[in-house]
Parts: sequence; C-alpha cells; structure tokens
Amino acid sequence: AQKVTQTQTSISVVEKTTVTMDCVYETRDSSYFLFWYKQTASGEIVFLIRQDSYKKENATVGHYSLNFQKPKSSIGLIITATQIEDSAVYFCAMREVMSNYNVLYFGSGTKLTVEP
Amino acid sequence: EAAVTQSPRNKVTVTGGNVTLSCRQTNSHNYMYWYRQDTGHGLRLIHYSYGAGNLQIGDVPDGYKATRTTQEDFFLLLELASPSQTSLYFCASSYRGTEVFFGKGTRLTVV
Repeated sequence: AQKVTQTQTSISVVEKTTVTMDCVYETRDSSYFLFWYKQTASGEIVFLIRQDSYKKENATVGHYSLNFQKPKSSIGLIITATQIEDSAVYFCAMREVMSNYNVLYFGSGTKLTVEP
Repeated sequence: EAAVTQSPRNKVTVTGGNVTLSCRQTNSHNYMYWYRQDTGHGLRLIHYSYGAGNLQIGDVPDGYKATRTTQEDFFLLLELASPSQTSLYFCASSYRGTEVFFGKGTRLTVV
C-alpha cells in the first residue's frame, strides 16, 4: 500500500512567488517523522526539512516551511520567494518511529519549475 | 556532511549479465539502503541493512541480492540482469533518528 502520496506531478511558478506542494501519508503509528527532500538537476538528493509528528509547531528552515495538518495526514511544503535555483523535483517521505530500521517511504515526487 | 560514495556512476550491461553496484559510507552509520528511482514511482526500497552481515528485504527485492560486508560497504547484485532493471539506483545511509543521506546515484542500463 502506498504510504506517501504526492498528487501534483509538476508545478510551474514565476520567480519570487510562493508555492505549496502537497503530500499525504498513511500510518498506524502514533509517532512518526516527515521529511522533504530535493533532487537537483544533477540527480543529487538533499535533505531539506523535517517535521516530528508530536510537534504542533510547523518546521521552518530558511525559505522552506511546512504546513502540518495531522488530522488530515497532510504535510505540505511551502517555498516562499522562489528562485530559479529552486527548480527541482521535491520528494515527501515518512519514517515511522516504531520502524526498527529507520526506513524512509517516499512519494513519487513533484517537479517544480521556477520561471523568470 | 555525511559522505556516501557509489560506484560506478554509470553502467551498461547486456540482458542476462552480472552486475555489482558498490556503496561506501564513511560516517559510521548503522543503516544503509538501496533504492531505485523510476519515473512515476519515486524512490522504491530494494534492500536495507543494519550493520555488517545484516540484510532486510525492501518493497521491490525481486531480481536483486545485497550484501553488507562491513559497516561501511553495501553492495547490490544483479545476477541475471533484465531490461526492467534499467533504472537510477541510489544508496543511502543514516544513523538512527537522523535524516537519510544519499549517494549521487548509479545509472544502470540493461540492453
């Protein structure tokens, strides 16, 4: 069963605007971690931001922030003041706390294009 | 910054061929993983491991073997490669409770 779902295949925005990417997840665990990763044009995958399920406050790192809606099993990534360099594929991922092996389950990704 | 090194970066092999993808991490991470990336599927877990000699089956293990020879080294083996295994393969590592760090990927083409 798909644990992490990203329904937006691609998004295109104009530079300096704000974009939100959606992600929903499935888990029976009461505690879990949610992540967003970015895959650059070179193929490199880098960690961006993390949300712990027990924290009510939305995580923020630089111009990345999260919209965590636990009752809806939703974790949106918000990028403010987008830049051309933000063009990439963004993956949402989840790890269940009870997982003994720290396994990450990924969504299928959203391709973001930032245009001048 | 965690370092995960994959080799080779690119590989072309024939159907039925034997391929080994290598991965080394130098940060004493316990956990290591092999993922494959295909358009429309994102990253799918093939095999993973907690320490030397430990192996766990992921979500798409068919046609793959793996071996963790040391804390640092994790190998993915395709003993009878098929065109369906043409993909971009990522190795990753982590320490419990932290984010996962990825290698730069190996592009495998089976012709």
